[in-house]
Amino acid sequence: AQTVTQSQPEMSVQEAETVTLSCTYDTSENNYYLFWYKQPPSRQMILVIRQEAYKQQNATENRFSVNFQKAAKSFSLKISDSQLGDTAMYFCAFHRGTYKYIFGTGTRLKVLA
Amino acid sequence: EPEVTQTPSHQVTQMGQEVILRCVPISNHLYFYWYRQILGQKVEFLVSFYNNEISEKSEIFDDQFSVERPDGSNFTLKIRSTKLEDSAMYFCASSGIAGGPGNIQYFGAGTRLSVL
Repeated sequence: AQTVTQSQPEMSVQEAETVTLSCTYDTSENNYYLFWYKQPPSRQMILVIRQEAYKQQNATENRFSVNFQKAAKSFSLKISDSQLGDTAMYFCAFHRGTYKYIFGTGTRLKVLA
Repeated sequence: EPEVTQTPSHQVTQMGQEVILRCVPISNHLYFYWYRQILGQKVEFLVSFYNNEISEKSEIFDDQFSVERPDGSNFTLKIRSTKLEDSAMYFCASSGIAGGPGNIQYFGAGTRLSVL
């Protein structure tokens, strides 16, 4: 069975700095998708970035980028030029084959002014 | 931008009572999901729903749980007889394309269920 691990329950970063959130997963599958979702306080989870496992190129979305290491089963999220609005819970998720996402426990990120 | 809407944001109930959690998915979406997160634990999949029937469910989704799409807009999760361990945040999600790999699910803000 697939598992997703986020080993950093909480992190903080100074505004304008760069922060990296870690995610590792375990699967025997070769084709799958990985996601990072952001959940601001009292708001819904929104998609930050998506990575297809068969693509070697790391996904990027503006200030957000991933470091996808398929062999190491690692999928970290880098936030550049952190902004106060990036303060949120960040969830890593795995998806393959069926309907469900498999989530990690989340990392609570606080951006400090 | 279209959103998934969940009501209420917080539901308090007594053990043994029935609760219904409500969700309004994005209007042109076809696939609907419920997840839950017990405090401090992972977000866990409960059930997916397509074409008026359950397409996948987890071992958590036992006979105490049911889902329904009573009209063209609402998607509900019913817990027949709540237990203390049902206390959690419940998330509804929807997606617009086939529920295969890589589909993007859009989530609501969640309903916090507190069972006393």
